[in-house]
Amino acid sequence: KQEVTQIPAALSVPEGENLVLNCSFTDSAIYNLQWFRQDPGKGLTSLLLIQSSQREQTSGRLNASLDKSSGRSTLYIAASQPGDSATYLCAVPDTNAGKSTFGDGTTLTVKP
Amino acid sequence: DTAVSQTPKYLVTQMGNDKSIKCEQNLGHDTMYWYKQDSKKFLKIMFSYNNKELIINETVPNRFSPKSPDKAHLNLHINSLELGDSAVYFCASSPRDSSGELFFGEGSRLTVL
Repeated sequence: KQEVTQIPAALSVPEGENLVLNCSFTDSAIYNLQWFRQDPGKGLTSLLLIQSSQREQTSGRLNASLDKSSGRSTLYIAASQPGDSATYLCAVPDTNAGKSTFGDGTTLTVKP
Repeated sequence: DTAVSQTPKYLVTQMGNDKSIKCEQNLGHDTMYWYKQDSKKFLKIMFSYNNKELIINETVPNRFSPKSPDKAHLNLHINSLELGDSAVYFCASSPRDSSGELFFGEGSRLTVL
């Protein structure tokens, strides 16, 4: 059974800092890994999807990496802004069961 | 146009009532899901449908009954609502291929009094 862990659970940084969010998974036989953002009271917005054959994906100030062998992914946010404050979740599809397992999320607060 | 849309967005009801939440996706995806997010924000799969067929029922009480009239719609009907059913219910969809990228609706917040 796939288990997904995100560390830290919460993170508070001053504006302008670069930061890294971590996601680890127990079963390395994955199709892909997806990072989401969730604002309070809102749905999940897809940020980046990394296929199992890729090592990283970039979108603007966001860069996600994937290391299947070690069961880890990181989301790097450059030059953080208050508008980046949200909960960030990673999700891994279960290759056999047609569902995704989510981490519990990292709640990020960027202070002006 | 909203890719995955759910209605209603908010639902407040009494214990014992029956309620439904509707979901529609216009992405042409074959697979649709219901996820539940509890008060601690943990997100758990409830059901998964592929082209109108149930493929996952993740130990959900049988008071919850999903229905998929076609592959663009997946509704969730809940009988005899209990206090513990209070949560945010998210609908999602993905292509049938192994890319599996998930697209979520905005969620339906259910409060049972």
